[in-house]
Amino acid sequence: GENVEQHPSTLSVQEGDSAVIKCTYSDSASNYFPWYKQELGKRPQLIIDIRSNVGEKKDQRIAVTLNKTAKHFSLHITETQPEDSAVYFCAATLNQAGTALIFGKGTTLSVSS
Amino acid sequence: DAGVIQSPRHEVTEMGQEVTLRCKPISGHNSLFWYRQTMMRGLELLIYFNNNVPIDDSGMPEDRFSAKMPNASFSTLKIQPSEPRDSAVYFCASRPLPSAANTGELFFGEGSRLTVL
Repeated sequence: GENVEQHPSTLSVQEGDSAVIKCTYSDSASNYFPWYKQELGKRPQLIIDIRSNVGEKKDQRIAVTLNKTAKHFSLHITETQPEDSAVYFCAATLNQAGTALIFGKGTTLSVSS
Repeated sequence: DAGVIQSPRHEVTEMGQEVTLRCKPISGHNSLFWYRQTMMRGLELLIYFNNNVPIDDSGMPEDRFSAKMPNASFSTLKIQPSEPRDSAVYFCASRPLPSAANTGELFFGEGSRLTVL
């Protein structure tokens, strides 16, 4: 089955710096790669996603890149702000049918001002 | 739509007791998922349903765990008997089937925090 590895597990940056979180997946049939943000005590919420036929996607300060050959995708946050502090999860579809999502173990991002 | 609705939000019970968690998915969503979140293991997929039919329950940890979806608007996750190691936040989530025009965003409920003493 699908396995998603996420690094680093914790990340501390200064306000205004960039943050990068990386994930790898095992199933070459996976075709959808979302990123979720979870604030303390809250539910995970989608912040950006990418499909396998796209190499990069950007939404304001957030971007995601996908390398299908290497089975690797990354989240980039620029100009970080204290409100970006949260746990970020990457995910990949379980199989080509694309229904179930398997999540990485999460990255705790701390942005200090 | 009110989103994915879970109950109870918090449950504290004693070892050996039966626990039933409930979920109402977003209307029109074809797929429903149960995840368990712990610090050590992150978000684990327990089981998921497509059109009310269980598709993959390989993530269910033991026979003590069972899940049902009797109709498109309701699902339960039951633990019997419960053990302290079952303490976690249990999330229900739903999504529409992906299509060419729709990536099928997964929406989570607020979670049920279970503590087994």
